[in-house]
Parts: sequence; C-alpha cells; structure tokens
Amino acid sequence: NAGVTQTPKFQVLKTGQSMTLQCAQDMNHEYMSWYRQDPGMGLRLIHYSVGAGITDQGEVPNGYNVSRSTTEDFPLRLLSAAPSQTSVYFCASSPLGGFGNQPQHFGDGTRLSIL
Amino acid sequence: GENVEQHPSTLSVQEGDSAVIKCTYSDSASNYFPWYKQELGKGPQLIIDIRSNVGEKKDQRIAVTLNKTAKHFSLHITETQPEDSAVYFCAVYSRNDYKLSFGAGTTVTVRA
Repeated sequence: NAGVTQTPKFQVLKTGQSMTLQCAQDMNHEYMSWYRQDPGMGLRLIHYSVGAGITDQGEVPNGYNVSRSTTEDFPLRLLSAAPSQTSVYFCASSPLGGFGNQPQHFGDGTRLSIL
Repeated sequence: GENVEQHPSTLSVQEGDSAVIKCTYSDSASNYFPWYKQELGKGPQLIIDIRSNVGEKKDQRIAVTLNKTAKHFSLHITETQPEDSAVYFCAVYSRNDYKLSFGAGTTVTVRA
C-alpha cells in the first residue's frame, strides 16, 4: 500500500513552459486535492475532486488545470509556467465523508522552480 | 473563505517541557479541526483531530482542546522529545464552502 505518490519530486521549468504534476493514490479514496505551500502561508487549496469526472476550484486556481478520469489519478497541469508558481505542491486524498472533513493523506510533494 | 490564524510561528522548548500552539478561526459553521505534523522534505501527516461536538481529545502525549464559543482550538504536547521537532499546522473545515483551510504553521524545536 503506497498511499499517495507524487511525481516528479523536483522540477525546474522556464517561464512559459507547461508541465503536469502527477498524483496517484491506491486507497480507493473519492476525495483528492492539490495544495501549494509557500513560506509563511501554510497550505492553500488549488483544486479538488470528489470523484471521477468531478472537479472544482479551491482558493488559488488561476494558472492551473485539473482532470479526474479515474479514482486513482488526479494530475495538475501548469499551462504556461510563471515565476509566481514556484512552490512546493502537495496532493492529498481522503474518503469522501463530508467533502473534505476527513483525515487527509498527503504525498511527499513536488518542489517546483520556475526561472 | 475561512481565516485561520496560528500562533506562535516559532516555538523552542526544553526536552521534557510542554508545548502549546493555538489557532483561531472565523467561520462559526466550521466543524472539523485537524492538526498536521510536517517533517523536513515530507508531506504533512495527521497527528490528531477533533470535531465540533467534542471539547477535548487526547492521544498519549498529544491533546487538542476546542472552544467553539471563542472560536479557537489548541494543540498541547507534553513531555516533549527531540522527535517532536517539526512544523505543525492547524486546519479548519467549513461546511459553508466544503474546504479545509490551514494556518501558517508553527516551527517547533525541542532542545536536548
């Protein structure tokens, strides 16, 4: 049981490039989410999904896209990377419960630098 | 969205002493209050949580207290050990927007 797996662990991009951060979980959790972590600001919700085919915006969605074609996978896409998107990105999953009020299982993050 | 304030931002304690971290929130519809521990290079890990129908919860050396009237909750770590050194985050779940909002984090250092 691997839990939540994020790839890659590190990535450096140039401004304007695109990329996809991968997230996979093997716990059959319905709820999955993406956060970004910046110094002094805690974790901020980017997008979340309550099941395959259903996604919604979080607190800071601009510049990011998501899709959920399977229960297991929830990729995060940066369409045109900007320096302001330099951050550590965490994916989390949990049983559905009340749409997020269940213990979240986090991956170990992707450290992304935009030059 | 929910406004979560966490204090202090850094906390240094002597091994064996207690550590207390406090969080306040603004939305009275909030009903779930987890605490996460994050070690260097890792993702946050849940250490304890409490729901709005409970005032206090304890798990070995860790306890959380909730005051719904005052809209604040606290994490208490007793008999601190070096392995307790980490960043701790509080979080608040609101039924109004179905989202979990995090505090800014507290860096705890336990001195041997």
